[in-house]
Amino acid sequence: DAKTTQPNSMESNEEEPVHLPCNHSTISGTDYIHWYRQLPSQGPEYVIHGLTSNVNNRMASLAIAEDRKSSTLILHRATLRDAAVYYCILRVYSGNTPLVFGKGTRLSVIA
Amino acid sequence: NAGVTQTPKFRILKIGQSMTLQCAQDMNHNYMYWYRQDPGMGLKLIYYSVGAGITDKGEVPNGYNVSRSTTEDFPLRLELAAPSQTSVYFCASRNPSRGDTFGSGTRLTVV
Repeated sequence: DAKTTQPNSMESNEEEPVHLPCNHSTISGTDYIHWYRQLPSQGPEYVIHGLTSNVNNRMASLAIAEDRKSSTLILHRATLRDAAVYYCILRVYSGNTPLVFGKGTRLSVIA
Repeated sequence: NAGVTQTPKFRILKIGQSMTLQCAQDMNHNYMYWYRQDPGMGLKLIYYSVGAGITDKGEVPNGYNVSRSTTEDFPLRLELAAPSQTSVYFCASRNPSRGDTFGSGTRLTVV
């Protein structure tokens, strides 16, 4: 799997938008961009994924650069419950490709 | 829908003891995975399975064994526990169109 680069940590104020960046300059055409998050003392949780177009769901939005070498996870209004480690992972759509976790970005949310 | 269920949640083992970590999913997913997570680190893949009767090694398989006799169950066996196996263990199953579902983890301490 191609490698991703994320900041080690970020901080946000509660009820403000958060933009979590991810660089993946060696992404291949068959790689989907996945985001997972891990709340304290819990297992990872799927957030969102996309290939080329921007994606929205109830949890977040995913903005993908036109050249696909970077992406941004957007939390529209951070809450204290969003404090977690966020992982950006590249993965082909089909077949058996386990998730490869880096260290992710630790997001702190300040009340 | 229970998702992925792991038991036990906590366990303390003495060096040299053995145990089985249980994992069950009720989503009829073919792909299942076992990961371990050491403090402050990302998850590392131990073993995976693409269906009943088929398993394969991941990044860190030494000291572990798995079996997959049914679609639902994917137990992880530790034969001779060592302090280096102190970790949090997560089981996951894959929905190709959405994302992986993780269990809540088993926290294992080997003393």
